[in-house]
Amino acid sequence: DTEVTQTPKHLVMGMTNKKSLKCEQHMGHRAMYWYKQKAKKPPELMFVYSYEKLSINESVPSRFSPECPNSSLLNLHLHALQPEDSALYLCASSRWYSGEKTQYFGPGTRLLVL
Amino acid sequence: GIQVEQSPPDLILQEGANSTLRCNFSDSVNNLQWFHQNPWGQLINLFYIPSGTKQNGRLSATTVATERYSLLYISSSQTTDSGVYFCAVELVGGSQGNLIFGKGTKLSVKP
Repeated sequence: DTEVTQTPKHLVMGMTNKKSLKCEQHMGHRAMYWYKQKAKKPPELMFVYSYEKLSINESVPSRFSPECPNSSLLNLHLHALQPEDSALYLCASSRWYSGEKTQYFGPGTRLLVL
Repeated sequence: GIQVEQSPPDLILQEGANSTLRCNFSDSVNNLQWFHQNPWGQLINLFYIPSGTKQNGRLSATTVATERYSLLYISSSQTTDSGVYFCAVELVGGSQGNLIFGKGTKLSVKP
């Protein structure tokens, strides 16, 4: 099973709202990732968690707050977003220390900030 | 400088045709993956191929690490092959897990 699931599929929020994106995998992977993809652009890395610890933060604004409560779950908490944050948010997971480190992606959450 | 370059940016094919997509990268890589992004946004992993050759049905890929390029071959294309094909690399000396994506090749297969 190479499935990564994400909820919700779509999200519309105002600039004063607080919402969370969720990601789950059951492949036993110990690395999980958040990417942001704007329309007609490639995905860009936001955060990397390895063994539930944040290992990469690609200078993402603090209005995005990641959380990795356990090895299967990854959340992205959103607060006071701007319209330019509207994008497809993709979660991925992979092995970390050994073997092929193929990143497997979820279907994404389409976020619209009004 | 540009770290991952893909060509061509756009490609239109008639169903049944073959095609080759290219990915050039600027440095040695720990990881190289080819993805297909369908019209709904799902990124589907096609190959993990930091070196060598792999085949999966009508698709195959070759990475020549010493010359810093990778090729994705699509044979007997079908309309369902339409979408954007991304090459993504993790560079040696970069942060582990940091996949850098090329700008993609948009493929349209006409019936």
